[in-house]
Amino acid sequence: DQQVKQNSPSLSVQEGRISILNCDYTNSMFDYFLWYKKYPAEGPTFLISISSIKDKNEDGRFTVFLNKSAKHLSLHIVPSQPGDSAVYFCAASAISGYALNFGKGTSLLVTP
Amino acid sequence: EPEVTQTPSHQVTQMGQEVILRCVPISNHLYFYWYRQILGQKVEFLVSFYNNEISEKSEIFDDQFSVERPDGSNFTLKIRSTKLEDSAMYFCASNRDSHEAFFGQGTRLTVV
Repeated sequence: DQQVKQNSPSLSVQEGRISILNCDYTNSMFDYFLWYKKYPAEGPTFLISISSIKDKNEDGRFTVFLNKSAKHLSLHIVPSQPGDSAVYFCAASAISGYALNFGKGTSLLVTP
Repeated sequence: EPEVTQTPSHQVTQMGQEVILRCVPISNHLYFYWYRQILGQKVEFLVSFYNNEISEKSEIFDDQFSVERPDGSNFTLKIRSTKLEDSAMYFCASNRDSHEAFFGQGTRLTVV
């Protein structure tokens, strides 16, 4: 069962523009949401997170927005850089513990 | 910067054989995890370990799997009798007391 969904398998954006990666979830028990970035042959790297009590969290070029009523979150990267090209995973954890439920990932390509 | 390290990076084993995947979590972390990613699929939670016992496990983590923290630094995943469908990237992760887990670079397990 796909409790965390990333419906866009890939996204291509020009350098300097905004990248918007989307994620939907179905489990209303999820209360913490994270974005990870993954390069080939490496493990996922933590990028940014947001608690369900917030609707926005910002860290430099990265901003995560959470819409609890829609069970939707998004990651904005602005401005996008070629080094941002990677697979981005949305993940969520429930109140009961720290186990992460991952989406299938979105492959971002930032072109010069 | 402290990191989670995993060995070996690649393990090839025959079906039915036992394998042990090894991890050294970040030294002051308290929670330890194993995840796996079958080729082309999402990263899946297997098990979490805290205070020398399993704290959460998924349906995937059946009797064929076991985890152990044999000393103060290592955290191992044992698969008792490997099957072809166990072929995947296995990621170890750890954290201290938060949702943001730090991942190792993974062990690619190939069962032939």
